[in-house]
Amino acid sequence: AQSVTQLGSHVSVSEGALVLLRCNYSSSVPPYLFWYVQYPNQGLQLLLKYTSAATLVKGINGFEAEFKKSETSFHLTKPSAHMSDAAEYFCAVSGPRDDKIIFGKGTRLHILP
Amino acid sequence: DVKVTQSSRYLVKRTGEKVFLECVQDMDHENMFWYRQDPGLGLRLIYFSYDVKMKEKGDIPEGYSVSREKKERFSLILESASTNQTSMYLCASSDSLNTEAFFGQGTRLTVV
Repeated sequence: AQSVTQLGSHVSVSEGALVLLRCNYSSSVPPYLFWYVQYPNQGLQLLLKYTSAATLVKGINGFEAEFKKSETSFHLTKPSAHMSDAAEYFCAVSGPRDDKIIFGKGTRLHILP
Repeated sequence: DVKVTQSSRYLVKRTGEKVFLECVQDMDHENMFWYRQDPGLGLRLIYFSYDVKMKEKGDIPEGYSVSREKKERFSLILESASTNQTSMYLCASSDSLNTEAFFGQGTRLTVV
């Protein structure tokens, strides 16, 4: 069965510092991978997705993620954190033979002034 | 603009009541999902449907059932609500070709 593990339920970074949120996946075949963001009292919004094209994926709001098959990882990064990035971030996996989308437990990102 | 609409943002129900949570999508998506979200546990899949009248259990189906009579509508049913079903419920839909899921705003259900 597919699964994802997000390391760190809470991450704090200073405004302007690098953001790194970690995600490792388990899948017997090359999966589709996603990062979603959830702002308070809202649903989830897609940040970016990997679907077996380029291994470095660029998303919205300056975020990007790199698919590393050898490490089974799909970490999310942003060079310079902004206060508006404070939110909860979810890594997710699905397919290609299964349309179910399985989510990690989430990482809450705190931005320090 | 794609849209997934959940019928209620907030709901308070009594223990033992039958509860219906409704979700409608306007994107002609084949797949629809119900998740529950609890602090520290992330999103857990309750049920998903890949076609009209088709359903598949997720990770935590106990105490829930679903109905999909039309492609655009996917209902989650709590047969007899219990306090441990107090949670945020999120509906989503996806297209098999594009794979990403689109989410509704969520329904915060409190069972008292």
